[in-house]
Amino acid sequence: GENVEQHPSTLSVQEGDSAVIKCTYSDSASNYFPWYKQELGKRPQLIIDIRSNVGEKKDQRIAVTLNKTAKHFSLHITETQPEDSAVYFCAADPGNNAGNMLTFGGGTRLMVKP
Amino acid sequence: NAGVTQTPKFQVLKTGQSMTLQCAQDMNHEYMSWYRQDPGMGLRLIHYSVGAGITDQGEVPNGYNVSRSTTEDFPLRLLSAAPSQTSVYFCASSRRQGVQAKNIQYFGAGTRLSVL
Repeated sequence: GENVEQHPSTLSVQEGDSAVIKCTYSDSASNYFPWYKQELGKRPQLIIDIRSNVGEKKDQRIAVTLNKTAKHFSLHITETQPEDSAVYFCAADPGNNAGNMLTFGGGTRLMVKP
Repeated sequence: NAGVTQTPKFQVLKTGQSMTLQCAQDMNHEYMSWYRQDPGMGLRLIHYSVGAGITDQGEVPNGYNVSRSTTEDFPLRLLSAAPSQTSVYFCASSRRQGVQAKNIQYFGAGTRLSVL
């Protein structure tokens, strides 16, 4: 089955700096890669996603890049703000799976210091 | 439209007790699932369902039962609670509308369970 590795597990940056979180996946059939943000004590929520036929997608201060050949994708946050502090999960959709499941990475705790 | 609703929000059990975590969604989603999230760790799949009457095991199913008698509800039962089941439990639902559709998971607010 699909396996998603996420690095780093914790990331501390100064407010205004950029943050990058990287994920690798194992199943070349995966075709959809979402990122979820989980604020402290809250539920995970989708913040951005990318399909396998696109190399990069941007939404204001966040962007996601995908390298299908290398089977890795990354989340980029520019001009970080304290409200970006959260746990971020990457995920991959193996495509034709009966349960409509996503395979999640282990999460990255991002701390933005004012 | 409430989305995915989980009850209770908090629960404390003694070892050996049983209980049911409730999950309901009002989006008419076919797919529902249960995850557990231990401190500092990611989301691990417990059980999932592809529709009413159909359930299957995920990564960590031992000690849990599920049923799906309606599209809306997907309760999770702890048969005999153990301290190792202390965790935060999230229910999620989703819909797949064709091969090219996005697989967006909608999560409930979670149930924080402590087993003493």
